[in-house]
Amino acid sequence: QSALTQPASVSGSPGQSITISCTGTSSDVGSYNLVSWYQQHPGKAPKLMIYEGSKRPSGVSNRFSGSKSGNTASLTISGLQAEDEADYYCCSYAGSSTLGVFGTGTKVTVL
Amino acid sequence: EVQLVQSGAEVKKPGESLKISCKGSGYSFTSYWIGWVRQMPGKGLEWMGIIYPGDSDTRYSPSFQGQVTISADKSISTAYLQWSSLKASDTAMYYCARHIVVVTAIPADAFDIWGQGTMVTVSS
Repeated sequence: QSALTQPASVSGSPGQSITISCTGTSSDVGSYNLVSWYQQHPGKAPKLMIYEGSKRPSGVSNRFSGSKSGNTASLTISGLQAEDEADYYCCSYAGSSTLGVFGTGTKVTVL
Repeated sequence: EVQLVQSGAEVKKPGESLKISCKGSGYSFTSYWIGWVRQMPGKGLEWMGIIYPGDSDTRYSPSFQGQVTISADKSISTAYLQWSSLKASDTAMYYCARHIVVVTAIPADAFDIWGQGTMVTVSS
Protein backbone atom coordinates (compact mmCIF):
# COMPACT_ATOMS: atom_id res chain seq x y z
CA GLN A 1 0.00 0.00 0.00
CA SER A 2 1.60 3.26 -1.12
CA ALA A 3 1.39 6.46 0.83
CA LEU A 4 -1.25 8.96 -0.19
CA THR A 5 0.16 11.77 -2.33
CA GLN A 6 0.41 15.30 -0.94
CA PRO A 7 2.27 18.34 -2.28
CA ALA A 8 5.63 18.71 -0.55
CA SER A 9 5.01 22.33 0.33
CA VAL A 10 2.32 25.00 0.27
CA SER A 11 2.75 28.61 1.28
CA GLY A 12 0.59 31.64 1.81
CA SER A 13 0.54 35.08 3.38
CA PRO A 14 -1.20 35.83 6.67
CA GLY A 15 -4.94 36.10 6.18
CA GLN A 16 -4.96 34.14 2.94
CA SER A 17 -6.52 30.72 2.38
CA ILE A 18 -4.57 27.67 1.29
CA THR A 19 -5.63 24.18 0.29
CA ILE A 20 -3.65 20.96 0.69
CA SER A 21 -4.59 18.03 -1.49
CA CYS A 22 -4.35 14.35 -0.60
CA THR A 23 -4.66 11.97 -3.52
CA GLY A 24 -5.29 8.29 -3.04
CA THR A 25 -7.07 5.57 -4.95
CA SER A 26 -10.46 3.91 -5.17
CA SER A 27 -9.18 1.46 -2.52
CA ASP A 28 -8.71 4.10 0.16
CA VAL A 29 -9.76 7.75 -0.11
CA GLY A 30 -12.31 7.03 -2.81
CA SER A 31 -14.00 4.17 -0.98
CA TYR A 32 -14.43 5.54 2.53
CA ASN A 33 -15.42 8.80 4.17
CA LEU A 34 -12.66 8.21 6.71
CA VAL A 35 -9.97 10.75 5.90
CA SER A 36 -8.31 12.51 8.80
CA TRP A 37 -5.82 15.37 8.88
CA TYR A 38 -3.03 15.98 11.40
CA GLN A 39 -0.91 19.03 12.17
CA GLN A 40 2.61 18.48 13.42
CA HIS A 41 4.88 21.23 14.68
CA PRO A 42 8.64 20.51 14.81
CA GLY A 43 9.54 18.21 17.67
CA LYS A 44 5.91 17.71 18.66
CA ALA A 45 3.39 14.92 18.41
CA PRO A 46 0.76 15.12 15.66
CA LYS A 47 -2.56 16.80 16.49
CA LEU A 48 -5.89 15.77 14.98
CA MET A 49 -7.46 18.62 12.99
CA ILE A 50 -10.15 16.93 10.87
CA TYR A 51 -11.72 13.48 10.99
CA GLU A 52 -14.27 11.61 8.88
CA GLY A 53 -13.47 13.95 6.02
CA SER A 54 -14.91 17.17 7.38
CA LYS A 55 -15.54 16.97 11.13
CA ARG A 56 -13.55 19.12 13.56
CA PRO A 57 -12.66 17.86 17.02
CA SER A 58 -13.57 20.07 19.93
CA GLY A 59 -11.08 22.92 20.28
CA VAL A 60 -9.91 23.00 16.66
CA SER A 61 -10.41 26.35 14.96
CA ASN A 62 -13.16 26.62 12.36
CA ARG A 63 -10.53 28.07 10.05
CA PHE A 64 -9.72 24.43 9.25
CA SER A 65 -12.09 22.57 6.96
CA GLY A 66 -12.01 19.31 5.04
CA SER A 67 -13.65 17.97 1.92
CA LYS A 68 -13.40 15.16 -0.60
CA SER A 69 -14.02 14.64 -4.27
CA GLY A 70 -13.47 11.22 -5.77
CA ASN A 71 -10.05 9.91 -4.78
CA THR A 72 -8.79 13.27 -3.54
CA ALA A 73 -9.34 14.80 -0.11
CA SER A 74 -8.49 18.40 0.73
CA LEU A 75 -7.71 20.45 3.80
CA THR A 76 -8.36 24.18 3.61
CA ILE A 77 -6.91 26.65 6.08
CA SER A 78 -8.57 30.04 5.89
CA GLY A 79 -7.31 33.23 7.50
CA LEU A 80 -3.79 31.82 7.59
CA GLN A 81 -1.90 32.63 10.79
CA ALA A 82 1.76 32.32 11.76
CA GLU A 83 0.90 29.50 14.17
CA ASP A 84 -0.43 27.42 11.25
CA GLU A 85 3.12 26.95 9.99
CA ALA A 86 3.69 23.20 10.43
CA ASP A 87 3.67 19.88 8.64
CA TYR A 88 0.27 18.44 7.71
CA TYR A 89 -0.55 14.79 7.05
CA CYS A 90 -3.68 13.19 5.71
CA CYS A 91 -4.64 9.63 6.59
CA SER A 92 -7.26 7.29 5.18
CA TYR A 93 -8.73 3.91 6.02
CA ALA A 94 -7.69 1.48 3.28
CA GLY A 95 -9.65 -1.65 4.10
CA SER A 96 -9.35 -4.47 6.60
CA SER A 97 -6.07 -5.82 5.19
CA THR A 98 -4.14 -2.55 5.00
CA LEU A 99 -5.93 -0.62 7.74
CA GLY A 100 -4.61 2.96 7.68
CA VAL A 101 -2.33 4.79 5.28
CA PHE A 102 -0.82 8.24 5.78
CA GLY A 103 -0.04 10.85 3.19
CA THR A 104 3.47 11.95 2.28
CA GLY A 105 3.10 15.17 4.26
CA THR A 106 2.96 18.86 3.34
CA LYS A 107 5.03 21.65 4.85
CA VAL A 108 2.97 24.80 5.21
CA THR A 109 4.91 28.05 5.27
CA VAL A 110 3.38 31.35 6.29
CA LEU A 111 5.19 34.06 4.34
CA GLU B 1 -7.38 14.72 31.64
CA VAL B 2 -7.24 12.11 28.91
CA GLN B 3 -3.62 11.35 28.10
CA LEU B 4 -1.16 8.80 26.83
CA VAL B 5 2.28 8.82 28.41
CA GLN B 6 5.07 6.94 26.68
CA SER B 7 8.30 5.53 28.07
CA GLY B 8 11.57 7.37 27.62
CA ALA B 9 14.13 7.41 24.83
CA GLU B 10 16.12 4.26 24.17
CA VAL B 11 19.57 3.67 22.68
CA LYS B 12 20.19 0.09 21.62
CA LYS B 13 22.59 -1.97 19.55
CA PRO B 14 21.61 -3.97 16.46
CA GLY B 15 20.28 -7.38 17.40
CA GLU B 16 19.07 -6.33 20.84
CA SER B 17 15.45 -6.60 21.94
CA LEU B 18 13.27 -3.74 23.12
CA LYS B 19 9.80 -3.09 24.51
CA ILE B 20 8.42 0.44 24.78
CA SER B 21 5.25 1.39 26.57
CA CYS B 22 2.25 3.70 26.38
CA LYS B 23 0.14 4.26 29.50
CA GLY B 24 -3.37 5.61 29.18
CA SER B 25 -5.22 7.58 31.82
CA GLY B 26 -8.35 9.65 32.22
CA TYR B 27 -10.59 7.33 30.20
CA SER B 28 -11.70 3.71 29.92
CA PHE B 29 -8.51 2.15 28.55
CA THR B 30 -10.23 -1.09 27.57
CA SER B 31 -12.81 0.63 25.39
CA TYR B 32 -10.59 2.33 22.81
CA TRP B 33 -8.17 0.91 20.27
CA ILE B 34 -4.54 2.07 20.67
CA GLY B 35 -2.42 2.40 17.54
CA TRP B 36 1.30 2.81 16.90
CA VAL B 37 2.81 5.18 14.34
CA ARG B 38 6.43 5.36 13.19
CA GLN B 39 8.26 8.51 12.09
CA MET B 40 11.77 7.99 10.83
CA PRO B 41 14.16 10.96 11.13
CA GLY B 42 13.05 13.75 8.81
CA LYS B 43 10.35 11.58 7.29
CA GLY B 44 6.56 11.19 7.37
CA LEU B 45 4.15 9.21 9.50
CA GLU B 46 3.61 5.47 8.98
CA TRP B 47 0.70 3.41 10.31
CA MET B 48 2.11 0.36 12.08
CA GLY B 49 -0.67 -1.48 13.84
CA ILE B 50 -3.39 -1.30 16.46
CA ILE B 51 -4.68 -3.19 19.49
CA TYR B 52 -7.96 -3.28 21.37
CA PRO B 53 -6.96 -3.63 25.04
CA GLY B 54 -10.38 -4.98 25.97
CA ASP B 55 -9.72 -8.32 24.30
CA SER B 56 -6.18 -7.87 22.84
CA ASP B 57 -7.47 -8.04 19.25
CA THR B 58 -4.41 -6.89 17.28
CA ARG B 59 -4.08 -5.84 13.64
CA TYR B 60 -0.88 -5.02 11.75
CA SER B 61 -0.18 -2.99 8.64
CA PRO B 62 1.33 -5.36 6.04
CA SER B 63 4.61 -3.42 6.11
CA PHE B 64 5.06 -4.14 9.81
CA GLN B 65 3.56 -7.62 10.13
CA GLY B 66 6.24 -9.90 11.56
CA GLN B 67 8.60 -6.99 12.26
CA VAL B 68 7.13 -5.86 15.59
CA THR B 69 4.75 -7.15 18.23
CA ILE B 70 1.97 -5.07 19.75
CA SER B 71 0.49 -6.07 23.10
CA ALA B 72 -1.39 -4.60 26.04
CA ASP B 73 -1.86 -5.16 29.76
CA LYS B 74 -5.29 -3.85 30.61
CA SER B 75 -4.70 -4.28 34.33
CA ILE B 76 -2.23 -1.38 34.22
CA SER B 77 -3.75 0.48 31.23
CA THR B 78 -0.59 0.08 29.18
CA ALA B 79 0.08 -0.83 25.56
CA TYR B 80 3.43 -2.02 24.26
CA LEU B 81 5.46 -2.14 21.08
CA GLN B 82 8.33 -4.58 20.98
CA TRP B 83 11.15 -5.81 18.80
CA SER B 84 13.01 -9.11 19.17
CA SER B 85 16.03 -8.10 17.12
CA LEU B 86 16.53 -4.42 16.36
CA LYS B 87 18.05 -3.11 13.14
CA ALA B 88 19.59 0.28 12.43
CA SER B 89 16.59 0.97 10.20
CA ASP B 90 14.33 0.81 13.28
CA THR B 91 15.78 4.16 14.39
CA ALA B 92 12.76 6.42 14.59
CA MET B 93 10.27 8.24 16.80
CA TYR B 94 7.37 5.99 17.76
CA TYR B 95 4.00 7.40 18.76
CA CYS B 96 1.06 5.67 20.35
CA ALA B 97 -2.37 7.15 19.71
CA ARG B 98 -5.95 6.50 20.75
CA HIS B 99 -8.57 5.64 18.14
CA ILE B 100 -11.35 8.21 18.21
CA VAL B 101 -14.31 5.81 18.21
CA VAL B 102 -15.22 3.99 21.42
CA VAL B 103 -16.05 0.26 21.40
CA THR B 104 -15.90 -0.35 17.67
CA ALA B 105 -15.12 -3.61 15.88
CA ILE B 106 -13.27 -1.85 13.07
CA PRO B 107 -10.48 0.63 13.88
CA ALA B 108 -10.99 2.61 10.72
CA ASP B 109 -11.16 6.17 11.95
CA ALA B 110 -8.79 8.84 13.25
CA PHE B 111 -6.47 9.04 16.24
CA ASP B 112 -7.61 11.77 18.62
CA ILE B 113 -5.14 11.52 21.51
CA TRP B 114 -1.40 11.06 20.97
CA GLY B 115 1.45 10.17 23.26
CA GLN B 116 4.52 12.39 23.37
CA GLY B 117 6.59 9.89 21.40
CA THR B 118 9.48 7.56 22.21
CA MET B 119 12.74 8.01 20.31
CA VAL B 120 14.47 4.72 19.56
CA THR B 121 18.06 4.87 18.33
CA VAL B 122 19.73 1.71 17.09
CA SER B 123 23.45 2.03 16.51
CA SER B 124 26.54 -0.07 16.93
